[in-house]
Amino acid sequence: DIQMTQSPSSVSASVGDRVTITCRASQGISSWLAWYQQKPGKAPKLLIYAASSLQSGVPSRFSGSGSETDFTLTISSLQPEDFATYYCQQAISFPLTFGGGTKVEIK
Amino acid sequence: EVQLVESGGGLVQPGGSLRLSCAASGFTFSSYAMNWVRLAPGKGLQWVSSIFPSGTTTFYADSVKGRFTISRDNSKNTLYLQMNSLRAEDTAIYYCAKDRSRGNAVTHFDYWGQGTLVTVSS
Repeated sequence: DIQMTQSPSSVSASVGDRVTITCRASQGISSWLAWYQQKPGKAPKLLIYAASSLQSGVPSRFSGSGSETDFTLTISSLQPEDFATYYCQQAISFPLTFGGGTKVEIK
Repeated sequence: EVQLVESGGGLVQPGGSLRLSCAASGFTFSSYAMNWVRLAPGKGLQWVSSIFPSGTTTFYADSVKGRFTISRDNSKNTLYLQMNSLRAEDTAIYYCAKDRSRGNAVTHFDYWGQGTLVTVSS
């Protein structure tokens, strides 16, 4: 199974800050990586697919980069509605696996 | 507008069974793979199972293989998850999710239902 390791597990940030979350795959996954945002009590929301493609309707302050084993999600200017938990997910092979999550909290 | 509405969750004793349903609308259901993902208390997201558009090919996480069965009725635009031999560790919110890619591919999940809570406890 491919292990997905996210860091940090939590981050405290202020509105307007630039936030970067990393995701490392235990083996190469090409660009088969997605990022999701989940708020308490809500369903996950797809932000980025294919490592760097912005899902329709997602604000441009979200961006993704990377390939093979190392990936990043960047929020260029954190907004109040961005405080949530973020997950990466690989889709190159079964079982599909998610990272452990990164909780973005208000400083 | 794409909508996914899960139902069938509830409280069940260890060893019991439940069948979850997911009613889909707003897209051509028979053209997309569908998936179940769960969120256990205090844990992260875990992929559970996927099914190709025709329903003939399915995939399972090792933790549920042999106990859970995914199926779909394309005439009713409905996805199912039959859960047998339930364990305490199956306690979670179960989400159905539509695949982003059309056809026989399981990739990323672009639409999710609101989730249904399954609690396994005596």
